[in-house]
Amino acid sequence: DAGITQSPRHKVTETGTPVTLRCHQTENHRYMYWYRQDPGHGLRLIHYSYGVKDTDKGEVSDGYSVSRSKTEDFLLTLESATSSQTSVYFCATMMSRADEQYFGPGTRLTVT
Amino acid sequence: AQTVTQSQPEMSVQEAETVTLSCTYDTSESNYYLFWYKQPPSRQMILVIRQEAYKQQNATENRFSVNFQKAAKSFSLKISDSQLGDTAMYFCAFMINNDMRFGAGTRLTVKP
Repeated sequence: DAGITQSPRHKVTETGTPVTLRCHQTENHRYMYWYRQDPGHGLRLIHYSYGVKDTDKGEVSDGYSVSRSKTEDFLLTLESATSSQTSVYFCATMMSRADEQYFGPGTRLTVT
Repeated sequence: AQTVTQSQPEMSVQEAETVTLSCTYDTSESNYYLFWYKQPPSRQMILVIRQEAYKQQNATENRFSVNFQKAAKSFSLKISDSQLGDTAMYFCAFMINNDMRFGAGTRLTVKP
């Protein structure tokens, strides 16, 4: 299994507070992704990165920002959390274009 | 719009029998990649099978095979000799230019 960790694994936060989720990989994969999973929607892409400091928006990027200052870390930030951002967040990595994606264990975020 | 539709929210099958999960997608692109991922109760996302759209031959992986109909934009998954460990959510997905879209999923239960 690819070495992908996510932190924290669970978080409860209040509306309006900033939140940062971290994805860390040990596989030196070029591509990294952030998804959210909600009932009835499957996984939806938030942002992805195709290299250090190279990122692009996904299907549901509003309210989220990302940063990738080094290959192994990809951060997802909710500048001001809202209840609609309550979800399970998955990070994934991919070695090369259109290859298999390896997923982290997920982070359950609850915004009250 | 690029969308993935899984029309069967839930399915069940008897152990050792065969089941087919449906997936249709919509895109105007001609170069893309198709995937089936499995998510067991552990919540870990696992690649089941991958298909390159420019390849006419249907992909197979042991008991798993696909029926890829490019003109119809259909990508169904057949599971042969179903096992109890196949019980999971199954997600169909496609990737275009690093952008990944998932369907809402089909919950498959294998009954003993």
